[in-house]
Amino acid sequence: EADIYQTPRYLVIGTGKKITLECSQTMGHDKMYWYQQDPGMELHLIHYSYGVNSTEKGDLSSESTVSRIRTEHFPLTLESARPSHTSQYLCASSDRGEQFFGPGTRLTVL
Amino acid sequence: AQSVTQPDIHITVSEGASLELRCNYSYGATPYLFWYVQSPGQGLQLLLKYFSGDTLVQGIKGFEAEFKRSQSSFNLRKPSVHWSDAAEYFCAVGEYGGATNKLIFGTGTLLAVQP
Repeated sequence: EADIYQTPRYLVIGTGKKITLECSQTMGHDKMYWYQQDPGMELHLIHYSYGVNSTEKGDLSSESTVSRIRTEHFPLTLESARPSHTSQYLCASSDRGEQFFGPGTRLTVL
Repeated sequence: AQSVTQPDIHITVSEGASLELRCNYSYGATPYLFWYVQSPGQGLQLLLKYFSGDTLVQGIKGFEAEFKRSQSSFNLRKPSVHWSDAAEYFCAVGEYGGATNKLIFGTGTLLAVQP
């Protein structure tokens, strides 16, 4: 059973606010990922990490930043949210191949 | 560059009917292939995966997929669809190399099930 958690599940905020989306996994996986998914669309990789203190930008440019200070924790931060950031954000982790996904955070920026 | 194509954006089937969702990939080497399912407002759940060996792969919830190298396809099948199968289905190909471990996703197929 995969154990990967995301909080909050839903977030509605105003423009200009700083937000952090939390992602934690209890499987000890080294690799973690953040995807952005608009309704009815495919997933786009925005950040990934291969281990502690390792982060890389993904295929889709994003104004968000990430950090990986602990193996189990991979938060995503938006310093100043804008309506264009409205989307669903999915976190995942992997060991040797398949990726396990969290339930996602649906972000709405007004 | 690696890519995944799911030609069908939306499919409707009757409950009890058979199902086949199409997936074509472009990848230079032997691919690692996956099918995920996503219910509304949820994350993705792995249905099945192909790494090597038998080209017919069994997954959860009665799904199976067949890897056909000559056709660059990895179609998902189920002999009898249940109403609870209504969801969005994503095919993905794994991109691996050194420390790299990424998935390239298709655009998804939304499955509706009629009673």
